[in-house]
Amino acid sequence: EAGVAQSPRYKIIEKRQSVAFWCNPISGHATLYWYQQILGQGPKLLIQFQNNGVVDDSQLPKDRFSAERLKGVDSTLKIQPAKLEDSAVYLCASSLAQGYNEQFFGPGTRLTVL
Amino acid sequence: AQKITQTQPGMFVQEKEAVTLDCTYDTSDPSYGLFWYKQPSSGEMIFLIYQGSYDQQNATEGRYSLNFQKARKSANLVISASQLGDSAMYFCAMRENNQAGTALIFGKGTTLSVSS
Repeated sequence: EAGVAQSPRYKIIEKRQSVAFWCNPISGHATLYWYQQILGQGPKLLIQFQNNGVVDDSQLPKDRFSAERLKGVDSTLKIQPAKLEDSAVYLCASSLAQGYNEQFFGPGTRLTVL
Repeated sequence: AQKITQTQPGMFVQEKEAVTLDCTYDTSDPSYGLFWYKQPSSGEMIFLIYQGSYDQQNATEGRYSLNFQKARKSANLVISASQLGDSAMYFCAMRENNQAGTALIFGKGTTLSVSS
């Protein structure tokens, strides 16, 4: 079974530029999460999708971050414009359904904002 | 207030010894789940073990066991017979089941170093 795929693995941009990350969850997984992990901390949820609907985006900085999952499969997270404090690893995770115990994580995208 | 507290920034253990990684949590939700994840230097989060708040017995998965003390709100991870490959960052996480979302709330992690 293929795992959660993410691209790119690494990205370096300058502040005020835009960047987009892509995630393809495990086939058949209805629930998709984007987490932000700042160096030295645990992951923090940015947004949760159930199929193509948003379940929780309360911690998403909506003035600069946006995310979509149009067909209920893969998802894109965008930052526009980026700030220095956005430097982090962006992790995508998926689970079979809401409340299902195990979340499967992708390898993450490491973003550096200069 | 922090919902998940991991007070040990780093732990050191020798191969074949057992080690306990501490985790305390804070929630008023009667239904919740507790998780442990391993994050090697490659960065991927690997699920280790799960404990539900209503589970009567402590969870075990191979060399991993979860010491669940509900009254103390603690969910410590015990790794028996440590191996060199266990060196990694370990995160305790919680899911509150009566919230709109089902995302995990993570602690700051504990770095485990296993030496030969």
